[in-house]
Amino acid sequence: SYELTQPLSVSVALGQTARITCGGHNIGSRNVHWYQQKPGQAPVLVIYRDNNRPSGIPERLSGSNSGNTATLTIDGAQAGDEADFYCQVWDSSTVVFGGGTKLTV
Amino acid sequence: QVQLVESGGGVVQPGRSLRLSCAASGFPFSSYGMHWVRQAPGKGLEWVAIIWYNENKTNYADSVKGRFTVSRDNSKNMLYLQMNRLRVEDTSVYYCARSLEMATIVLDYWGPGTLVTVSS
Repeated sequence: SYELTQPLSVSVALGQTARITCGGHNIGSRNVHWYQQKPGQAPVLVIYRDNNRPSGIPERLSGSNSGNTATLTIDGAQAGDEADFYCQVWDSSTVVFGGGTKLTV
Repeated sequence: QVQLVESGGGVVQPGRSLRLSCAASGFPFSSYGMHWVRQAPGKGLEWVAIIWYNENKTNYADSVKGRFTVSRDNSKNMLYLQMNRLRVEDTSVYYCARSLEMATIVLDYWGPGTLVTVSS
């Protein structure tokens, strides 16, 4: 089965750029989606198909995907960005999530 | 607007059964696949099951295959998860989520979740 690897935690200074990676074999050939989950809340889709933002998601969030690594980038990190982030792909008729990354601002 | 609301969670003994429900509104329910995703306390997201829009096609995570059954009633805009032979490790918040197909599958809307605790 396909596996996605994320760092357990990423720290970023207020106003700086955070990058959260998602590793997988030849992940660049797949569509990667990203979810943000704040404490006590349900996940929210923030990036779909590598680099597309749903309505209402700020332009500060962006995604890229190439080779064996997909990346979620958060520019100008704010205190309100603190959350867990999960990457996801669709593989063999199953949904696969990464283990999640805790972003600390 | 799209709304998903889960219900049916609670405390149940190991080996017993429980049925979760998810009420959908704000979109043409019969045109969308639906998922169940769970999250154990302090842990990450774990996908549980998918049911495609036509009700006949389903798929499950290996951890629940043969014990859980996903179903839907398109006439009532309802999604269900029948959980049998529950184990302590099934303790989680269970979310229902809408499935968006675009050459891939993405979960674009989620409910707030319902907590299932399996304990003796």
